[in-house]
Amino acid sequence: QVRLQESGPGLVKPSETLSLTCTVSGGSVSSTSHFWSWIRQPPGKGLEWIGYIFHSGSTNSNPSLKSRLAISVDTSKDHFSLTLTSVTAADTAVYYCASHMLYGPFDSWGQGTLVTVSS
Amino acid sequence: DIVMTQSPDSLAVSLGERATINCKSSQNVLSRSNNNNYLAWYQQKPGQPPKLLIYWASTRESGVPDRFSGSGSATDFTLTISSLQAEDVAIYYCQQYYSFPRTFGQGTKVEIK
Repeated sequence: QVRLQESGPGLVKPSETLSLTCTVSGGSVSSTSHFWSWIRQPPGKGLEWIGYIFHSGSTNSNPSLKSRLAISVDTSKDHFSLTLTSVTAADTAVYYCASHMLYGPFDSWGQGTLVTVSS
Repeated sequence: DIVMTQSPDSLAVSLGERATINCKSSQNVLSRSNNNNYLAWYQQKPGQPPKLLIYWASTRESGVPDRFSGSGSATDFTLTISSLQAEDVAIYYCQQYYSFPRTFGQGTKVEIK
């Protein structure tokens, strides 16, 4: 099974930009069958799907975040990235990356990375 | 958006007893074209990412013990742990992958009585 690992700053100031990267191993972001998603979980709360990207660069995202969100992919480095602008305390969460078929469950997950929004 | 609602929010079950978790979707997640229910169940233990247990409502992921089973169709689904073990203490989530945005239930916490 593919392995995923999130990386990025653990602390972001309010109104600034959150940037995370997910590195894929044991597989490739250039897969023609797999899509690559970001999912987040505020401390002690449930799961929220953020959005996905395909190796072609095609994306789909949660309308609740779409205006602040960008997801990109770098096939040469086998990673994909998340950028969320104008963050507030409500964006504090563990951010996970995950893989899936377009119409399939999230079958592989990264370990997650906690991002705290605070001054 | 499809709203997923789980019940109960928490339950305490004795070791070896049955645990039942329900999940209701606000819209049908059954595809008439292939007769598949686009519904998955995940298990999340503290400090860990969710782990896929069940997909297509009733298909166990490889390596998942057979005490875990999923059932239901269209808008009403159930996850059953037939004989609760200590290692099953976790929060369980249902999730629909029928439409975007993908949505999860609020989670059900399973504890030992």
